[in-house]
Amino acid sequence: AQSVSQHNHHVILSEAASLELGCNYSYGGTVNLFWYVQYPGQHLQLLLKYFSGDPLVKGIKGFEAEFIKSKFSFNLRKPSVQWSDTAEYFCAVMPQRGYQKVTFGTGTKLQVIP
Amino acid sequence: IAGITQAPTSQILAAGRRMTLRCTQDMRHNAMYWYRQDLGLGLRLIHYSNTAGTTGKGEVPDGYSVSRANTDDFPLTLASAVPSQTSVYFCASSETGGSYNEQFFGPGTRLTVL
Repeated sequence: AQSVSQHNHHVILSEAASLELGCNYSYGGTVNLFWYVQYPGQHLQLLLKYFSGDPLVKGIKGFEAEFIKSKFSFNLRKPSVQWSDTAEYFCAVMPQRGYQKVTFGTGTKLQVIP
Repeated sequence: IAGITQAPTSQILAAGRRMTLRCTQDMRHNAMYWYRQDLGLGLRLIHYSNTAGTTGKGEVPDGYSVSRANTDDFPLTLASAVPSQTSVYFCASSETGGSYNEQFFGPGTRLTVL
């Protein structure tokens, strides 16, 4: 079975700072990777996804993530965060074969200080 | 309706009572899912359904049951609620037929069992 680790549980940044949230997964086969965002009081929304091809994936709101297969990582980045980016971020992995069960990480809470 | 709706938005329930959380989607997605979200544990899959008429168990199915009589609806039932079922419950859906399917989430139901 697959698993996902998000090492940063709570990150506090000032506006305009750069962001990188770590995500590592374990699985023996090929996977699809996702980052979801949950703004306060709201449901999860997809930020970006990787299925194949260019390992650098660009998503909404200026976010991007890079899939490094050798490191089993899919870190989320944004060059300059805004107060409106305050939210909880979840990394998720889904095997490309077999039953398509998505496994979520435990989440990283990002707090951006104006 | 646009997307996924869940009802109720929140509920306080006495232990031992029966409760059904409702989920409806209008995207004609074949697959539907129920997750619970708990602090520090991320999202954990309770039950899923790949298509109408079929259901399966996720990571934490005990104490919960589901049914999938049609494509649109996927109710989650707690037969006899216990305090450990206090959580936020999210319903999600996705297309099937391939592994390139992101999940779309509903707004959630906040359940408190006393």
